[in-house]
Amino acid sequence: EVQLVESGGGLVQPGGSLRLSCAVSGFTFSSYWMHWVRQVPGKGLVSVSRLNIDGSMTIYADSVKGRFTISRDNAKNTLYLQMNSLRVDDTAFYYCAGVRDGNFYVSYWGQGTLVTVSS
Amino acid sequence: QSALTQPRSVSGSPGQSVTISCTGTSIDIGNYNYVSWYQQHPGKAPQVMIYDVNKRPSGVPDRFSGSKSGNAASLTISGLQAEDEADYYCCSYAGRNPWVFGVGTKLTVL
Repeated sequence: EVQLVESGGGLVQPGGSLRLSCAVSGFTFSSYWMHWVRQVPGKGLVSVSRLNIDGSMTIYADSVKGRFTISRDNAKNTLYLQMNSLRVDDTAFYYCAGVRDGNFYVSYWGQGTLVTVSS
Repeated sequence: QSALTQPRSVSGSPGQSVTISCTGTSIDIGNYNYVSWYQQHPGKAPQVMIYDVNKRPSGVPDRFSGSKSGNAASLTISGLQAEDEADYYCCSYAGRNPWVFGVGTKLTVL
């Protein structure tokens, strides 16, 4: 059974930091590009970041560039998102998502973790 | 990195067909045949319904079909069923830019 389990979300003050994790099982993690996609409650999906199978290539949305860092540990089948200098408009559900190398669609989604940035 | 344009809502009666449009630019939809469509029920994670413009993953009914012309793509759902009521998002690969999602369309089955 495929599972992507996000953790690390919660309430943080503006300017603070959080580290999200996504523990993966049920598919070959090292063969998948991994993405973070966020969704403000009641709003649409927005791509935040992605990285390739060995973590050597990363892409970020302009809105998070310089503040967020995506990384992975293929030995632990885990994806991370380090979020610094958080802003109120970073408040959203954060989904991790898996895209098989060579494909261009999300095969697997996590259930999401809520990040709330508020004073 | 602007969102793809979709109608905010569409509706149809059971058995009817509906089409959801998705408009992008020459940087995303117009430049790649990598448009995907995701269905999202309330409180759930999205799931892919169409990929590579017009391909269906196994398990997705053939009532769902996709197409593309120029900078625009569309999703057609024929023989509407109550369980099709959900939010639908288009998405396009955009090279070394972040993937671009549509703003989402709420489908109501009357």
